Amino acid sequence: EMQLVESGGGLVQPGRSLRLSCAASGFTFVNYAMHWVRQRPGKGLEWVTGISWNTGAITYVDSVKGRFTISRDNDKNSLYLQMNSLRPEDTALYYCVRGSSFSLANDENWFDPWGQGTLVTVSS
Amino acid sequence: SYELTQPPSVSVSPGQTARITCSGDNLGHKYVSWYQQKPAQSPVVVIYQDNNRPSGIPERFSGSKSGNTATLTIRGTQPMDEADFYCQAWDSSTALYVFGTGTTVTVL
Repeated sequence: EMQLVESGGGLVQPGRSLRLSCAASGFTFVNYAMHWVRQRPGKGLEWVTGISWNTGAITYVDSVKGRFTISRDNDKNSLYLQMNSLRPEDTALYYCVRGSSFSLANDENWFDPWGQGTLVTVSS
Repeated sequence: SYELTQPPSVSVSPGQTARITCSGDNLGHKYVSWYQQKPAQSPVVVIYQDNNRPSGIPERFSGSKSGNTATLTIRGTQPMDEADFYCQAWDSSTALYVFGTGTTVTVL
C-alpha cells in the first residue's frame, strides 16, 4: 500500500523556521516527482512546490520563493520542506503528495496519493 | 497568475446528477484532474487527464471538457459523495500547478 507520512509541523513564531519531513513507502520513490500542497484553515488547496525525481527541476509558488526549500533523499525515501522566515499566512495543513510521473513540469501530471498532512501554525 | 474558477456550491438530490464546472484561460489545451476531499480527510483523485478514472473510483464519476470549461459529472449521486471538489491543471507559462477555487457538493 502506498503511504506518505508527514511530520515536523507545529506552532512557530513569525520569522522563525521549521522543517517538514515526509516518509514514503509502498512505491519506488525515486521514480516519481514529489510535491507539497497546503490548505489554509477553511480554505482551498494551494500547490506550494515540487521536485523532480533527480532534483534536476524544482519550482515554487511565488509567495514562498526565497523562503522555502524543497529537497529529497532518494536513499531514505524521504521528502523535505525547509521553511524559513515564516509568516502568519503560511499557517496551513501541509500535504506531501506524489506526482504521477518522474517529471516535474508536465501537463499530464496529477497527484496521487496524498499524505494525511502536518499542521503548521505561525503565530506569536 | 493562472486561475481556475469553480462555483462555490452545488446541491443535488440523492440519485440525481451533479455537475461541477471548472473554467480557465486556454483550459481546452490543458489536462484537467479532479480531486474529492471529504471532511477531515485528505484529497483523493477521482479523474485525471480530463476523463480518466483511477481504479477504485466508482463509474458514476466522469470528466469532460468543452472549450475552456471542464466538467466533473456525478451520476446517481449518493450521500457519501458529499465533499469538496477541486479541479487542477498545469500552467505551462509559469510551470506551476494550479487548483481551482473548490466546490462544495451537498446531497439533500
